[in-house]
Amino acid sequence: GAVVSQHPSWVICKSGTSVKIECRSLDFQATTMFWYRQFPKQSLMLMATSNEGSKATYEQGVEKDKFLINHASLTLSTLTVTSAHPEDSSFYICSARRVIPNTGELFFGEGSRLTVL
Amino acid sequence: QKEVEQNSGPLSVPEGAIASLNCTYSDRGSQSFFWYRQYSGKSPELIMSIYSNGDKEDGRFTAQLNKASQYVSLLIRDSQPSDSATYLCAGAIIQGAQKLVFGQGTRLTINP
Repeated sequence: GAVVSQHPSWVICKSGTSVKIECRSLDFQATTMFWYRQFPKQSLMLMATSNEGSKATYEQGVEKDKFLINHASLTLSTLTVTSAHPEDSSFYICSARRVIPNTGELFFGEGSRLTVL
Repeated sequence: QKEVEQNSGPLSVPEGAIASLNCTYSDRGSQSFFWYRQYSGKSPELIMSIYSNGDKEDGRFTAQLNKASQYVSLLIRDSQPSDSATYLCAGAIIQGAQKLVFGQGTRLTINP
């Protein structure tokens, strides 16, 4: 159990376009999902906390108007990178915390590798 | 000071030896700690979780937590080449959504 699926696993887009990444918890409900970004040879940096039915909470330095997060249901959160630029190229990883039982651990999606040309 | 700190390595260990990975944290309120393994180009996978002081063993892995010293470690016995990966230490920060804060990761290489 506790499977998290991300889609797409990789995407290449032109500069200026928007890209949407989906994160689904397949066999459990998640009121909270987290979006991380990882640049090469660096650790995971938390971008925002996605809360079902309410606005996301963004970490300091993350532009909420550029990285739009929607958590419309207990199993789906989406991250939209708007007007993407080459510096947004990165590995985006979502994770979810299981509501029941809540052991504190996060279950990670497979990640989405974004390349902006 | 970073909330969770690790030695970024790289750490090289001969096959069959014990690999020791260390992590310190700054928030005394942190309750839960996790070790994740990440292969290149993949997302992290949970190896161990630890919530109370002392040792916790699972197969070849032993996690150790010392809350007084704010120190977490992971020991890998009988290291295998397949253990070569980046190991991420994470602490659960008790603020609202209990977000996990990750260390920078330690790159481990097991030499055959």
